[in-house]
Amino acid sequence: EDQVTQSPEALRLQEGESSSLNCSYTVSGLRGLFWYRQDPGKGPEFLFTLYSAGEEKEKERLKATLTKKESFLHITAPKPEDSATYLCAVLVTGGSYIPTFGRGTSLIVHP
Amino acid sequence: NAGVTQTPKFRILKIGQSMTLQCTQDMNHNYMYWYRQDPGMGLKLIYYSVGAGITDKGEVPNGYNVSRSTTEDFPLRLELAAPSQTSVYFCATLQELNYGYTFGSGTRLTVV
Repeated sequence: EDQVTQSPEALRLQEGESSSLNCSYTVSGLRGLFWYRQDPGKGPEFLFTLYSAGEEKEKERLKATLTKKESFLHITAPKPEDSATYLCAVLVTGGSYIPTFGRGTSLIVHP
Repeated sequence: NAGVTQTPKFRILKIGQSMTLQCTQDMNHNYMYWYRQDPGMGLKLIYYSVGAGITDKGEVPNGYNVSRSTTEDFPLRLELAAPSQTSVYFCATLQELNYGYTFGSGTRLTVV
C-alpha cells in the first residue's frame, strides 16, 4: 500500500529561522512527488513537482529536494506570510492519476 | 482565467436533506476529482473522472454520487445528508503535462 508521512505535524518558527519539513514515502514506483501550500479556508496551491532522486526545485524562500525515500521542503529565512499548511503528495507509476496525500505540516512563523 | 470554480462556498443542511455541490473548470482538463478534508485527516478522495462520461469511486464514496456530462462540469450529489458528511469539500483538476493539480476554493458543508 502506498504511504505518505509528513513530519512534523506542526512547526513554529521565528522569522528568519530556517528549517525543513519532511515527507517520507513508500510506493511501488514513483511517477512524481508534489508539494502544495494551503492557507486557511482555501484550496491547496501547487508549489513543485519532483520526478526523480537528486532533483531540486526552488521558489523564493522554498527549496524542495527528493531522495528515493523522502522529500524535504527547506524554508530559508521564513517570513510570517509563509505561515500555512504544507501538503505532500505522491503519484505512482501505472494505473490512473490518483495521488496519495500526506496529512500536512502546519507552519507558523512568528514575527 | 477562473481555473476551478466551486459553489456554494458555505452551506448548512439538515439531516436527510439533499444537495449538489457544483464544480466547473475552464482549463479543458480531462481529470477531475472530489475530495473531502476533515481536520487533521488530510484529503480523502470521494470520486474522480478521467473524462466526460467516465467516473469512478475513490476512497470514501458512500453517500455521494457524481456525473460528468461535459469536460467542464463535475457536480457532486449528496443524498440524505448525515452529520458524518460535515466537512470541507474540494474539487480539483489535473494538468497532465506536469501532474500539477489545481484545486477550487472549497465548499464548507455543515449537516445538523
